[in-house]
Amino acid sequence: DQQVKQNSPSLSVQEGRISILNCDYTNSMFDYFLWYKKYPAEGPTFLISISSIKDKNEDGRFTVFLNKSAKHLSLHIVPSQPGDSAVYFCAASAPAGTALIFGKGTTLSVSS
Amino acid sequence: EAGVTQFPSHSVIEKGQTVTLRCDPISGHDNLYWYRRVMGKEIKFLLHFVKESKQDESGMPNNRFLAERTGGTYSTLKVQPAELEDSGVYFCASSHLPTEQYFGPGTRLTVT
Repeated sequence: DQQVKQNSPSLSVQEGRISILNCDYTNSMFDYFLWYKKYPAEGPTFLISISSIKDKNEDGRFTVFLNKSAKHLSLHIVPSQPGDSAVYFCAASAPAGTALIFGKGTTLSVSS
Repeated sequence: EAGVTQFPSHSVIEKGQTVTLRCDPISGHDNLYWYRRVMGKEIKFLLHFVKESKQDESGMPNNRFLAERTGGTYSTLKVQPAELEDSGVYFCASSHLPTEQYFGPGTRLTVT
């Protein structure tokens, strides 16, 4: 059974608009969440993270929101750029620093 | 600062042969992790070293897989004998703090 779920395999957005990627989890013991971006033939690149004691973390164009009661987190990218086109993975761990549990990823396509 | 490096980038071996993958973490990172992504599936945790000690090897699929980390520096992952289902991309990651993990480019293993 999947503990981290990314239910949208793909998302298409126009340049300049907001991209919203969603992630749901089932394990209430998760206390650290991360988003990674991956280009073909490369390893995942760390984007942004959030601890379970927070509900929002922002870094430039990237903001992650955590809703613990709904066991849901989302990544907002504003404004979206063509270079953001990649596969985005949501990951969680319990506690931080231990094994990451990944979702299957969402492919984001940003058109100019 | 150099990132996580992995060698080789690609390996093609026959079923029953032995393959050794190498990972050099970011200098100073005590935590080293191995992950695997089988075609079409999510990235899955294999094991976690803290310095030279195995902290968690719950993700190792079977005893055909042997991981070592001599002197707490680089790590090797040996598959012996390789089976068809071992094909996939093997990622190594490292971290200093128990927060984000930084991934290498991966080794693509093809078992024929």
